[in-house]
Amino acid sequence: GQQLNQSPQSMFIQEGEDVSMNCTSSSIFNTWLWYKQDPGEGPVLLIALYKAGELTSNGRLTAQFGITRKDSFLNISASIPSDVGIYFCARAGGTSYGKLTFGQGTILTVHP
Amino acid sequence: DVKVTQSSRYLVKRTGEKVFLECVQDMDHENMFWYRQDPGLGLRLIYFSYDVKMKEKGDIPEGYSVSREKKERFSLILESASTNQTSMYLCASTLRGPGANVLTFGAGSRLTVL
Repeated sequence: GQQLNQSPQSMFIQEGEDVSMNCTSSSIFNTWLWYKQDPGEGPVLLIALYKAGELTSNGRLTAQFGITRKDSFLNISASIPSDVGIYFCARAGGTSYGKLTFGQGTILTVHP
Repeated sequence: DVKVTQSSRYLVKRTGEKVFLECVQDMDHENMFWYRQDPGLGLRLIYFSYDVKMKEKGDIPEGYSVSREKKERFSLILESASTNQTSMYLCASTLRGPGANVLTFGAGSRLTVL
């Protein structure tokens, strides 16, 4: 299947710092998604992006759909301990079936 | 609160055993999925189903089969478990149509094969 390259693989930051992670693909897509997995839980959708250049915020989270349609980034501002978890980018398969391809994940650790 | 329930959070099985992982959703979703999660590899799609008795292979179907006899239930079957199938298994469901990208996941089933 199509590959998504997500980086960094892991981050260790201090509470209050800003965080940035990104995802790239060799192919263009129409939808980028960002999910978060809390420890011991399944992933939950944070932000969905549907248009090239689109910038969307959800509280302290901001995500952008790259203009080339081959990349996306997620920023978290003023991190707090509950931001800990694994963040996944994902792209939609172009059908209505919800068949997503996920990136490798970014493990975020926040030190108080 | 709507949810996806995976019946077993932790399982330990022996090589060669047959393993059933059960998943039930109460949202009347048409689509259901089984993903496998491994460190550094993210989530990889094993099988999915977009209707009762329908199934489609995902990216890594080898060694697995599925069953969807009722709309709310999607089972993952390992006919003869092997050590390389030790992993976290995540079930998910979603509506058909515009909301299809909003997957609701279960909490996961961690399988260890000895």
